[in-house]
Amino acid sequence: NAGVTQTPKFQVLKTGQSMTLQCAQDMNHNSMYWYRQDPGMGLRLIYYSASEGTTDKGEVPNGYNVSRLNKREFSLRLESAAPSQTSVYFCASSEQPPVTSLAKNIQYFGAGTRLSVL
Amino acid sequence: RKEVEQDPGPFNVPEGATVAFNCTYSNSASQSFFWYRQDCRKEPKLLMSVYSSGNEDGRFTAQLNRASQYISLLIRDSKLSDSATYLCVVNPGRGGAGSYQLTFGKGTKLSVIP
Repeated sequence: NAGVTQTPKFQVLKTGQSMTLQCAQDMNHNSMYWYRQDPGMGLRLIYYSASEGTTDKGEVPNGYNVSRLNKREFSLRLESAAPSQTSVYFCASSEQPPVTSLAKNIQYFGAGTRLSVL
Repeated sequence: RKEVEQDPGPFNVPEGATVAFNCTYSNSASQSFFWYRQDCRKEPKLLMSVYSSGNEDGRFTAQLNRASQYISLLIRDSKLSDSATYLCVVNPGRGGAGSYQLTFGKGTKLSVIP
């Protein structure tokens, strides 16, 4: 039971470098999400994909791009990393987006990627 | 007023104690509510959904008060393994694109002491 798998677990970048965070879920969920978590800020939504083929901005999308590659995979790309993007990044998935029944919009999280940008 | 507010704690309680956390939310149209648990350096995991009538799962009881716009979590007979940060999560129910966004509180840290 893998659930939501994120790679890599840790990454150190220099300012201006690019990288892609990978996320895959094996629960046949329709909706996927990328969050960042910073001390004292809580979890903030970067981008989400309500269903395969769609992506939309969340609360803090600047500096990021996403791709919903297929139903299982949702990647997050940093084109030119900045120190302000140092954070812990979590991918999550849910059966349906949070407009439907309570049970179906429960979100399941991956183990996270700890990113440092120097 | 912030969308979801929680007392950050920390709450330091002895084993066996009863502890209660409150969470307030600003949008009266909010539709669904959850408590998540996050261990240190781990991902958030669902603890329980919060139903309008209140619900219980073993030592954990969740209550929703729509009139006052708050959610509570009660933990009875605290165990050392309950030490974690508890996140209050709300679906603001904005409608349209905003409906896809759950709002997370910053969390309340609980330390259960032997």
